[in-house]
Amino acid sequence: QKEVEQDPGPLSVPEGAIVSLNCTYSNSAFQYFMWYRQYSRKGPELLMYTYSSGNKEDGRFTAQVDKSSKYISLFIRDSQPSDSATYLCASYPPPGKLIFGQGTTLQVKP
Amino acid sequence: EAGVTQFPSHSVIEKGQTVTLRCDPISGHDNLYWYRRVMGKEIKFLLHFVKESKQDESGMPNNRFLAERTGGTYSTLKVQPAELEDSGVYFCASSQDDVQGKNYGYTFGSGTRLTVV
Repeated sequence: QKEVEQDPGPLSVPEGAIVSLNCTYSNSAFQYFMWYRQYSRKGPELLMYTYSSGNKEDGRFTAQVDKSSKYISLFIRDSQPSDSATYLCASYPPPGKLIFGQGTTLQVKP
Repeated sequence: EAGVTQFPSHSVIEKGQTVTLRCDPISGHDNLYWYRRVMGKEIKFLLHFVKESKQDESGMPNNRFLAERTGGTYSTLKVQPAELEDSGVYFCASSQDDVQGKNYGYTFGSGTRLTVV
């Protein structure tokens, strides 16, 4: 079993839609949870960072962590074509190495 | 500030040859990581430097891979001899812990796309 599971998609939505991206994880020791966005031919770029359970909002993006169900979510409101990318969830028990999900490819159509 | 720089961006080599990838982290970042993404798979950890010391190299696939970090600055990852299964995108990332030792995520380079034929 992979430590972080993520549906690779692809996911296609119309512009303005609310997007929900999800991951599950298996290691109870994970405390830090991140969402990265990766454009084609680029490296992953940190979008959101949360510690333990709860919500975190940054503009159109909201990250949620539910440690009881080991569930990580990223919501994108009012999605834009520029949001089209691969979204990677990641986590780690401190210190050190990130464990990534496979990434979900998102396309937002104008 | 300048980001994490990797070169070459692409490399195509024949099986059995040697390739050296280079990473220049963000200046002042003590932590440097190497990750790899093989086609169709998730990005996987290879190793972690703190300054010039290897903190964790549990993800290195085998002894054909050698990583070094000179003087705690740039790092190189050498693959010798390269095999077909080494093809993939190699990412380097760097980070700096805060005074409490917390790390708020890494900055990744654009990666080196390695193709072994």
